[in-house]
Amino acid sequence: QVQLQESGPGLLKPSETLSLTCTVSDVSITSYYWNWIRQSPEKGLEWIGYVHHSGNTDYNPSLNSRVTMSVDTSKNQFSLKLTSVSAADTAVYYCARWGVSCSGGTCSDLHAFDIWGQGTMVTVSS
Amino acid sequence: EVVLTQSPGTLSLSPGEGATLSCRASQSVPRTRLAWYQQKPGQAPRLVIYGASSRATGIPDRFSGSGSGTDFTLTISRLEPEDFAVYFCQQFGSSPLTFGGGTKVEIK
Repeated sequence: QVQLQESGPGLLKPSETLSLTCTVSDVSITSYYWNWIRQSPEKGLEWIGYVHHSGNTDYNPSLNSRVTMSVDTSKNQFSLKLTSVSAADTAVYYCARWGVSCSGGTCSDLHAFDIWGQGTMVTVSS
Repeated sequence: EVVLTQSPGTLSLSPGEGATLSCRASQSVPRTRLAWYQQKPGQAPRLVIYGASSRATGIPDRFSGSGSGTDFTLTISRLEPEDFAVYFCQQFGSSPLTFGGGTKVEIK
């Protein structure tokens, strides 16, 4: 079954760059759009953005200037970089697949996240 | 940005009772772009409903979604013990994608 697993440092200092990787199992990363979402008590669930292996991306404007996402097809992984972190970036970070439903040779976008990683806690503190 | 307001914040119910959760959008959202998730403590959200009314894989038929425009509803017909959780709505009618603040369904 399809699985996603986040990895990366759990503790950062203010102004550092957050780097996370999501490893995708049992499906080709070229077949879907891939997302990062974070969750904190203060902001709730916050969509960070998506990336496609073609290079197509869309980022939340609230984070746009600090975010970069990329795909490594050779490793079946995608990644997130968030620069100049502060305490406000402390959250659980999830990677998630943008769902597609296929039937009879026709596929349609679910416009929802059908597979999520377990999440990784990232704390920003001096 | 589309703001999603969920109500009530907390719903205290007993197993076997029905639950009605509301999600109101600050502007119209296409039905195909509205989803609901269930989240239990320490777990990632799980897709329950997509396209406003289509159940995700493995979701029992006691869950149903309805609504259009700015008002959407998730209904759980008879609460099972495993249904007590927090539920979020989500829209991607326009970027950025946004989530509601959640409704906690707790055991009374």
